[in-house]
Amino acid sequence: ILNVEQSPQSLHVQEGDSTNFTCSFPSSNFYALHWYRWETAKSPEALFVMTLNGDEKKKGRISATLNTKEGYSYLYIKGSQPEDSATYLCAYPAGGTSYGKLTFGQGTILTVHP
Amino acid sequence: KAGVTQTPRYLIKTRGQQVTLSCSPISGHRSVSWYQQTPGQGLQFLFEYFSETQRNKGNFPGRFSGRQFSNSRSEMNVSTLELGDSALYLCASSRGQNYGYTFGSGTRLTVV
Repeated sequence: ILNVEQSPQSLHVQEGDSTNFTCSFPSSNFYALHWYRWETAKSPEALFVMTLNGDEKKKGRISATLNTKEGYSYLYIKGSQPEDSATYLCAYPAGGTSYGKLTFGQGTILTVHP
Repeated sequence: KAGVTQTPRYLIKTRGQQVTLSCSPISGHRSVSWYQQTPGQGLQFLFEYFSETQRNKGNFPGRFSGRQFSNSRSEMNVSTLELGDSALYLCASSRGQNYGYTFGSGTRLTVV
């Protein structure tokens, strides 16, 4: 059974705070690591697909890093805004490609208070 | 640009019935995956189709099946519905290698 673990389960921060959360995944047979943001009443939205050890991706105030050797990825949000409130999910493809058969972590629920 | 379209949005079925859900992926996306979301289990992978072939299957009983048509549209079918099948079913499509998935709005299935 593939284990994708995310921590913390939930996080409450104040507007303007920077925050980060962790995703750990199996370090063998690595293909990719996906990050998604899921806002209430919307569909999950792809943030990043990370494929190389040491990879760092950025989208606005959100960035992510990847360590495939030790099996973890960090997601950072700089200067959190209330609109960043969402569940952040990481997913590990287990189907032998970089995208099929995604195994999702339980997610980190982020609440940003004005 | 049209997104991933799922129909219907909501469905109420009785235990023992069967149901078919439909998904139209983004034009040009050949990979279509289905996921089940329940409060206790999170997002669980059902199956993935690529060019009309089932490429991956999750750990669900044989009552859950799917298919993909030549235009990449996909359907999933659940037969002999059980109360525990009540969930949000999400369809997602991808352009392929090293691309993420675009998700539809989902079908909320309630089994009574």
